[in-house]
Amino acid sequence: RKEVEQDPGPFNVPEGATVAFNCTYSNSASQSFFWYRQDCRKEPKLLMSVYSSGNEDGRFTAQLNRASQYISLLIRDSKLSDSATYLCVVDNTDKLIFGTGTRLQVFP
Amino acid sequence: DGGITQSPKYLFRKEGQNVTLSCEQNLNHDAMYWYRQDPGQGLRLIYYSQIVNDFQKGDIAEGYSVSREKKESFPLTVTSAQKNPTAFYLCASSIGVIETQYFGPGTRLLVL
Repeated sequence: RKEVEQDPGPFNVPEGATVAFNCTYSNSASQSFFWYRQDCRKEPKLLMSVYSSGNEDGRFTAQLNRASQYISLLIRDSKLSDSATYLCVVDNTDKLIFGTGTRLQVFP
Repeated sequence: DGGITQSPKYLFRKEGQNVTLSCEQNLNHDAMYWYRQDPGQGLRLIYYSQIVNDFQKGDIAEGYSVSREKKESFPLTVTSAQKNPTAFYLCASSIGVIETQYFGPGTRLLVL
């Protein structure tokens, strides 16, 4: 089993739609969880950290499910500018492991 | 402005040549990292350093070398032993090894 697994997509959604991505991780001792966004041919940028109680930042909501070992990202009211690859990041106790990403394409 | 800089943006390597990619940060971060990304692929860890004068191999260290003589700098050398070096190279830094990583803009390496 991979340390961090994501559905590569692409997820093609219309503007205004709600879309959700899941990411599973293998290390039950993991403590740090993040979602990064990477635009084509650019560096990854932190979108949000994921906290145990779940957290929200505007249209973005992140959740952690320790029992099932997955984190999720929900995007509401999708914008064209949300089109990007979303990377799930989890620690394996001594370093961060980056998932291969889920590609989102928002169309008009 | 605090951040991470990488240079050059594009680099061309001839067969048999060693090339060095620069990475500098002024965030006062202890940990620094080098990743390689191939088209349509995820990030793969080459080397990382938790503190000055110390570094560890990542998942794909063969054909690469690093140094960490200063806290701010973590240069990566792509040696002639790396037979398929064409990729997008990303440098990152963080306060600690499982803390948020901040990335530089990357260097694209192409082989002539």
